[in-house]
Amino acid sequence: EAQVTQNPRYLITVTGKKLTVTCSQNMNHEYMSWYRQDPGLGLRQIYYSMNVEVTDKGDVPEGYKVSRKEKRNFPLILESPSPNQTSLYFCASSPTPGQIFYEQYFGPGTRLTVT
Amino acid sequence: DQQVKQNSPSLSVQEGRISILNCDYTNSMFDYFLWYKKYPAEGPTFLISISSIKDKNEDGRFTVFLNKSAKHLSLHIVPSQPGDSAVYFCAASQPYSGGGADGLTFGKGTHLIIQP
Repeated sequence: EAQVTQNPRYLITVTGKKLTVTCSQNMNHEYMSWYRQDPGLGLRQIYYSMNVEVTDKGDVPEGYKVSRKEKRNFPLILESPSPNQTSLYFCASSPTPGQIFYEQYFGPGTRLTVT
Repeated sequence: DQQVKQNSPSLSVQEGRISILNCDYTNSMFDYFLWYKKYPAEGPTFLISISSIKDKNEDGRFTVFLNKSAKHLSLHIVPSQPGDSAVYFCAASQPYSGGGADGLTFGKGTHLIIQP
């Protein structure tokens, strides 16, 4: 089954404790992206990756890191989480953007609470 | 500056009637528009899209209309069914530029409630 998986689905942590949220897709998609969803703000892009070893900042990258060592995986790293990073996070993937941006496939989400 | 706006946070429609969800955008570079549907505790799922070279795209009960001059698009659901109750996000993209925040720009979403 074609899908995007994220782990963990739920995470409660404390300020400053490094954490990683994993994302994996089995569709051989080149493009992957991370979003956060906050009440009243919709979905905002954090980082994206056009291909292996190619990453770039989205609209709200502060406090986050990503890596793309393999095509299928795109982990999101919070080196020193803070309470304002409490949010619902979604990973997404899509085929090569090319000249037209195709629909993205989203993972189920990771609800992160930083106390 | 919000480039994609969904001004109705929620919309209540009776089952069997037409649901109309609206979306406005400000960036004239956007050339591809999408609607996503999101149920609680799940990721958004793609619903329907439209290229800027068209003014209408239909898929079953779902139709998206695009008015480029007004920078406005709408999603029509006819007839509305209970399973359509969800949050709907409008999204837009511009031609791949090779840099910057390439990707989808989302609106804040509209919560559609279908009443029996």
